[in-house]
Amino acid sequence: KQEVTQIPAALSVPEGENLVLNCSFTDSAIYNLQWFRQDPGKGLTSLLLIQSSQREQTSGRLNASLDKSSGRSTLYIAASQPGDSATYLCAVGGNTGFQKLVFGTGTRLLVSP
Amino acid sequence: DAGVIQSPRHEVTEMGQEVTLRCKPISGHNSLFWYRQTMMRGLELLIYFNNNVPIDDSGMPEDRFSAKMPNASFSTLKIQPSEPRDSAVYFCASSFRGEGTEAFFGQGTRLTVV
Repeated sequence: KQEVTQIPAALSVPEGENLVLNCSFTDSAIYNLQWFRQDPGKGLTSLLLIQSSQREQTSGRLNASLDKSSGRSTLYIAASQPGDSATYLCAVGGNTGFQKLVFGTGTRLLVSP
Repeated sequence: DAGVIQSPRHEVTEMGQEVTLRCKPISGHNSLFWYRQTMMRGLELLIYFNNNVPIDDSGMPEDRFSAKMPNASFSTLKIQPSEPRDSAVYFCASSFRGEGTEAFFGQGTRLTVV
């Protein structure tokens, strides 16, 4: 059974810092990996999707990497801003062709002005 | 497209009542997923459909839970009878089938059973 772990559970940084969020998964037979952002009381917003054949994806200040063989992904946020404060979730898609996701427990990020 | 639309956004009901949650997926998507989010267990997949057909309902916690997808633009998740431990946020998501396809989530329905 796939298990997804995110470290740290919470992170507090001053504005402007670069930071790294970590995600690990136990079964490397994944279809893809997706990073989401969740604001309090809101739904999930997709940030980046990395296919199993890719090593990384970039969108603006965000960069996500994937090392499938070691079961790890990282989300790098450059020059953090208070508006980045949210919970970040990683989710892995199994090798069925359906975007059936197993979620990590999330990292709660607070960026202070 | 307006994205995945869920209704109601909030639902408060008494224990033992029937609850129906609704979802309209993104037009053209052929896969639909129902998830539940709680503090204790995080986000869990309950059931998913492909081309309106249920593929895997192994995540449905009990027989009190049922889901239908009568057409490509509408799905329901029903709880009958509801219990306090069903209190959670229920999310619907949709996607295309295949690698490289993102899942898009609705805003969720916050269910409180008292």
